[in-house]
Amino acid sequence: DIQMTQSPSSLSASVGDRVTITCRASQGIRNELGWYQQKPGKAPKRLIYAASNLQSGVPSRFSGSGSGTEFTLTISSLQPEDFATYYCLQHNTYPFTFGPGTKVDIK
Amino acid sequence: EVQLVESGGGLGQPGGSLRLSCAASGFIFEDYAMHWVRQVPGKGLEWVSGIGHNSRSVGYVDSVKGRFTISRDNAKNSLYLQMNNLRTEDTALYYCAGDTRSWPESPAYWGQGTLVTVSS
Repeated sequence: DIQMTQSPSSLSASVGDRVTITCRASQGIRNELGWYQQKPGKAPKRLIYAASNLQSGVPSRFSGSGSGTEFTLTISSLQPEDFATYYCLQHNTYPFTFGPGTKVDIK
Repeated sequence: EVQLVESGGGLGQPGGSLRLSCAASGFIFEDYAMHWVRQVPGKGLEWVSGIGHNSRSVGYVDSVKGRFTISRDNAKNSLYLQMNNLRTEDTALYYCAGDTRSWPESPAYWGQGTLVTVSS
């Protein structure tokens, strides 16, 4: 199975900060990765698909990059509504696997 | 508007069975792959199973292989998860999720989940 790791596991940031979250795959997955945001008590929301494509309706401050084994999610200017937990998901090979998550909270 | 509504959760006995259902509306169900994802309250997301639009592509997480079966009825716009030989570690909130491709990729649409509790 492909293992996904994320770093950091949590971070504290201020409104307006630039935030970068990294996701690494245990083997190459091309660009077959999505990024999700989840708030407490809510279903996940897809932000990015195919590693770098912004989901319709998602603010442009979110961006994704990477290919192969290393991927990043960047929030260019953190907003109050962005405090949440973020997950990556690889869909290159069954079983699909999520990263363990990165919790972004208020400094 | 895409809607996914799960049902069938509840209390199950260890070794017992439950069948989850997901009713889909607002999109052409037969054209898109579907998934089940679960989450233990307070923990991370775990992909459980996915199925292609025509049921030819099916995958499972290792921990449920041989116990869970995903299926779909395109005529009824419905997705199912038959859960047999339940274990306490299957206790979680189960989400139905819909793809934007005909083969399983990263799901874009999510229901609100149905809670499964496995306990004697």
